[in-house]
Amino acid sequence: GAGVSQSPSNKVTEKGKDVELRCDPISGHTALYWYRQRLGQGLEFLIYFQGNSAPDKSGLPSDRFSAERTGESVSTLTIQRTQQEDSAVYLCASSSGLVPYEQYFGPGTRLTVT
Amino acid sequence: DQQVKQNSPSLSVQEGRISILNCDYTNSMFDYFLWYKKYPAEGPTFLISISSIKDKNEDGRFTVFLNKSAKHLSLHIVPSQPGDSAVYFCAVLNAGNMLTFGGGTRLMVKP
Repeated sequence: GAGVSQSPSNKVTEKGKDVELRCDPISGHTALYWYRQRLGQGLEFLIYFQGNSAPDKSGLPSDRFSAERTGESVSTLTIQRTQQEDSAVYLCASSSGLVPYEQYFGPGTRLTVT
Repeated sequence: DQQVKQNSPSLSVQEGRISILNCDYTNSMFDYFLWYKKYPAEGPTFLISISSIKDKNEDGRFTVFLNKSAKHLSLHIVPSQPGDSAVYFCAVLNAGNMLTFGGGTRLMVKP
């Protein structure tokens, strides 16, 4: 597939459990972004990777959130000790870096914390 | 402190008419302004952009207008089609190449 893919598409978890969300960017895209969208709200920036380094982690809401990226490929977003307010759609996007605003988004992972 | 605001959460328009979606921003230093479109269960897709050195950019039925003095951005869709029904997000590109999004406006185009 040519687009950004994310897995799982849906995740229901109990409060207090850890979850791991995966993003496969478009091949060759050096930049990768994580956003989240809570119900009725806009997209909230979480973290940005250039290659496998993260120059901007300013959007991560708490130290329960962390993210890694392997080279210029897959990224995982981990949420530890999930809380109900973590319920949201988590979106991943990638870009070639040549035109940074042309970010291509995946379909998102809908996380529900019960 | 929202840097980008879309004050209308929803808009309903008749097919064939013009849809006007509005967006306000706070920082006069932003260089690029964008509109993204989002269908349910899909990620946002890039629609159209405008540089701060321009005041208008047109692409088919979509035109984006930038009023820098008012710090206001608008997207015009004409003629509107039922397939345009989606959530539209305006976004700005900040100095760190990050996109900051508005809260979105849900457009409904009635046949």
